[in-house]
Amino acid sequence: EPEVTQTPSHQVTQMGQEVILRCVPISNHLYFYWYRQILGQKVEFLVSFYNNEISEKSEIFDDQFSVERPDGSNFTLKIRSTKLEDSAMYFCASRLAGQETQYFGPGTRLLVL
Amino acid sequence: SQQGEEDPQALSIQEGENATMNCSYKTSINNLQWYRQNSGRGLVHLILIRSNEREKHSGRLRVTLDTSKKSSSLLITASRAADTASYFCATDDNTDKLIFGTGTRLQVFP
Repeated sequence: EPEVTQTPSHQVTQMGQEVILRCVPISNHLYFYWYRQILGQKVEFLVSFYNNEISEKSEIFDDQFSVERPDGSNFTLKIRSTKLEDSAMYFCASRLAGQETQYFGPGTRLLVL
Repeated sequence: SQQGEEDPQALSIQEGENATMNCSYKTSINNLQWYRQNSGRGLVHLILIRSNEREKHSGRLRVTLDTSKKSSSLLITASRAADTASYFCATDDNTDKLIFGTGTRLQVFP
């Protein structure tokens, strides 16, 4: 069964450094998402992406964040200058056009020191 | 209260018992989805119920939705130790994003 994959599974970085989190959505899906979950808290929406454009973004998704679909398979989340409070699990999700179910990847655990 | 609050926050039961988790939300929704998360792992989609549906089954899962009360429940029947996980409801208000609840941590003892 096709799955959303994410790399790396864990990333440790220094405050102020740039990080890029990578996702490979399910191949025939056209809608892509990033969510994050700070340890012990609820999962929060960051951004949705369709047709090479951001569809919607939350207040969390400020100028330090960007998303890109650099080729036909990858979907990336970049944090330009990481802060301590960016430490969280980041989940990528995708869905098929015309369907409502979002399928999530296993997540990338980001730790900012 | 926030969109998507669940109760109880934690639930401990014996194998074979049923587990019921509740979710309340505030806004109008297009659908409500339940996800499961094993400790520190990814989110696994369990079941989706649309706003015009009242009840849905999938294997040992039964979901109800009461849009007048803005609430949903997830029932897991004949629970197993492997059902131990956190369970989250997530609402889709037709803005193409999911709003997650606070989750219920379920512990099933063998």
